[in-house]
Amino acid sequence: NAGVTQTPKFRILKIGQSMTLQCAQDMNHNYMYWYRQDPGMGLKLIYYSVGAGITDKGEVPNGYNVSRSTTEYFPLRLELAAPSQTSVYFCASTLGVNQPQHFGDGTRLSIL
Amino acid sequence: KQEVTQIPAALSVPEGENLVLNCSFTDSAIYNLQWFRQDPGKGLTSLLLIQSSQREQTSGRLNASLDKSSGRSTLYIAASQPGDSATYLCAVWGFGNEKLTFGTGTRLTIIP
Repeated sequence: NAGVTQTPKFRILKIGQSMTLQCAQDMNHNYMYWYRQDPGMGLKLIYYSVGAGITDKGEVPNGYNVSRSTTEYFPLRLELAAPSQTSVYFCASTLGVNQPQHFGDGTRLSIL
Repeated sequence: KQEVTQIPAALSVPEGENLVLNCSFTDSAIYNLQWFRQDPGKGLTSLLLIQSSQREQTSGRLNASLDKSSGRSTLYIAASQPGDSATYLCAVWGFGNEKLTFGTGTRLTIIP
């Protein structure tokens, strides 16, 4: 059982480039989330989805976009990368409100 | 707006001691509270989930309690081991929300 799988694990981008962070889960979870974690800081919610075709903004959505065409996949798109987007990005999923949240191992992204 | 606080930010304890980690939240209208563990360079792993109607949950050497009326939870770790060294985060799922609100975590070091 793979759980939540994130790719790539590491990436270096130049300012102004774009990329997509991939997230897949094989647990048939309805809820999926994207967080960023800056060094020494807590998790900040970027976007989330409660089911295929439904997405909503979190605390820090600017500079990011998401889509959820299927239950399994929830990609995060960075357009025009900026140094402020240097962070570790985590994808997570859960079956519902009183179920544990499962996290991927993260993508470490540096914008230079 | 729900706020979750974890104090202290860091804690060092000799191996073998019992210890308590604290979590407080400002709004008692919650569905559940969850405790997670994060190892360096890894994602979060769910440890315990306490539903709002419950007072505590236990898993092995871990015991989490919830006092919803006072907005507090504790994570008790018995007979600490060096392998318990990690950052511990708590999070709450509030009424009307579709997501968790996280604390910033307590970094625990067990000294051999």
